[in-house]
Amino acid sequence: EIVLTQSPATLSLSPGERATLSCRASQSVSSYLAWYQQKPGQAPRLLIYDASNRATGIPARFSGSGSGTDFTLTISSLEPEDFAVYYCQQRSNWPRRVFTFGPGTKVDIK
Amino acid sequence: QVQLQESGPGLVKPSETLSLTCTVSGGSISSYYWSWIRQPAGKGLEWIGRIYTSGSTNYNPSLKSRVTMSVDTSKNQFSLKLSSVTAADTAVYYCAREGSGNYDGWVDYWGQGTLVTVSS
Repeated sequence: EIVLTQSPATLSLSPGERATLSCRASQSVSSYLAWYQQKPGQAPRLLIYDASNRATGIPARFSGSGSGTDFTLTISSLEPEDFAVYYCQQRSNWPRRVFTFGPGTKVDIK
Repeated sequence: QVQLQESGPGLVKPSETLSLTCTVSGGSISSYYWSWIRQPAGKGLEWIGRIYTSGSTNYNPSLKSRVTMSVDTSKNQFSLKLSSVTAADTAVYYCAREGSGNYDGWVDYWGQGTLVTVSS
């Protein structure tokens, strides 16, 4: 089973600052990694898929990078609406498709 | 715009079976994978499993022995049954759609979530 770890658990920043979130997989997931944003009381929203592709309607300030076991989500300049919890997710295909999520990183206002 | 809506009892007794249904509107249920994902209060997301419109399933290995999913394409619905529940199964349960094409393997639509509490 592939385990995802995320760091830091909490990131305290001010609007306008750059946020860098990390996700590490216990074994290679190639580029099969996504990032989701979740605000309180809401379902998650897909931000980034296949490690670096922005989903439809996602602002350009969100970017993803990485492959193999190490991935990064960067928010170039935090807007007030970006303070939320961010989860990474991988999809493995062998022996059958299984999805796992990381424990999340909370980005809160400093 | 595709919309998903979970329905089912909000309270289930320990050792009984949790049953939820997700109704899909604004689009066809056909030719997609449909998932259930849960989230205990204040905690992270756990994928429970998924079902294709043909009835083919994949389950989380940690829950596989207790999970059954089914689909009713005539009603644009899919369902989850989780047996022998305990307090650890208390969570918000989301139904979700796995995208196709570029979004293959990623959840592009989510229901609003429904809280299920396991308690006597």
